[in-house]
Amino acid sequence: KAGVTQTPRYLIKTRGQQVTLSCSPISGHRSVSWYQQTPGQGLQFLFEYFSETQRNKGNFPGRFSGRQFSNSRSEMNVSTLELGDSALYLCASSLAPSGARSEAFFGQGTRLTVV
Amino acid sequence: SQQGEEDPQALSIQEGENATMNCSYKTSINNLQWYRQNSGRGLVHLILIRSNEREKHSGRLRVTLDTSKKSSSLLITASRAADTASYFCATNPDTGGFKTIFGAGTRLFVKA
Repeated sequence: KAGVTQTPRYLIKTRGQQVTLSCSPISGHRSVSWYQQTPGQGLQFLFEYFSETQRNKGNFPGRFSGRQFSNSRSEMNVSTLELGDSALYLCASSLAPSGARSEAFFGQGTRLTVV
Repeated sequence: SQQGEEDPQALSIQEGENATMNCSYKTSINNLQWYRQNSGRGLVHLILIRSNEREKHSGRLRVTLDTSKKSSSLLITASRAADTASYFCATNPDTGGFKTIFGAGTRLFVKA
């Protein structure tokens, strides 16, 4: 079966713009988590959605938001982009919420560059 | 700060040698997972060990968990050049929250 699909794979945006990233989880998976990965900070948890509800949120400013649709697909949005938002954004899906002992499967990520 | 902390930050070994990476965490957990990441790509799930398990094997991988010390180790035996990657541990805290928290990772370089 198809894995986790993230689109687009690469993106270049200008400071001040906003961006929307998409994640399609593995069929049947209802939990989607988002992470930001930068060389300096490593993998940072952004938020997790399960059945269209945000279950947890990391320590990111309100410019970072997300949502999940009834088909479990998820989007994250970053408004008023800053240079420091340049990162690899990874999405992971799992059958159950990540606290419930289920494996998470990752997409290839979206490489966002803010110039 | 990160829940998981991997040690060492970087490791360079010869092909055929064993590689051991350690992970320490701070709070009680439901489970601990190890992932591999090849440069700039997504993470690949390697193994999950539950809080009531002490050791788990998968092929050339051996994971141990010591909940009293809040630590885990990943051993890769007979390493290959293809094992060159970053390795992360991730924990699901036993605090009622639904999130998987990653450490900073260990960069493993296996020389052919």
